[in-house]
Amino acid sequence: EDKVVQSPLSLVVHEGDTVTLNCSYEVTNFRSLLWYKQEKKAPTFLFMLTSSGIEKKSGRLSSILDKKELFSILNITATQTGDSAVYLCATKAGTSYGKLTFGQGTILTVHP
Amino acid sequence: NAGVTQTPKFRVLKTGQSMTLLCAQDMNHEYMYWYRQDPGMGLRLIHYSVGEGTTAKGEVPDGYNVSRLKKQNFLLGLESAAPSQTSVYFCASKAGGATGELFFGEGSRLTVL
Repeated sequence: EDKVVQSPLSLVVHEGDTVTLNCSYEVTNFRSLLWYKQEKKAPTFLFMLTSSGIEKKSGRLSSILDKKELFSILNITATQTGDSAVYLCATKAGTSYGKLTFGQGTILTVHP
Repeated sequence: NAGVTQTPKFRVLKTGQSMTLLCAQDMNHEYMYWYRQDPGMGLRLIHYSVGEGTTAKGEVPDGYNVSRLKKQNFLLGLESAAPSQTSVYFCASKAGGATGELFFGEGSRLTVL
């Protein structure tokens, strides 16, 4: 059974701090790892990582995948209150018809 | 530019009642999914469909049925609701093939008393 574990489960920081969210996985026939941000409603797509060691960046957010050690990290620099959300990590296997296996999520709270 | 639309957004049921959640997508996506989200457990796949007329079980299918009679619609049914089915339900869709991301609806909050 595929498994995705995120840590920490919750995190409280102040504006301007840098945070690192972790995601480890055990997936048969791994194809890709995805990060989503979920505020009040629908998860919204952040990154998809398929190759090890290649960093994806979007503004203050970046993510990297280590396929040897089976984990990924999501970094957020200079955090803002608008970064407060649940961050979800998910994996996709090669024969899964696009099905995602999700971790529990990390609740990030950024105080002014 | 609707994307993925779920109805209803909120519903309260009594134990034993039945209901249907409707998911509609306007992106001509082949694949559609129903997930449930519970505190501390992330999203878990209930059922999915890889094309019109097809359905398959996900991780937690018991107590639910689905139908995909039209490509754009994916229905999730609860025949006899139980308190354990109190959850937030998300529909998602994706274009066919190995690549691409899932697009999610805004969720339907169901409470079973």
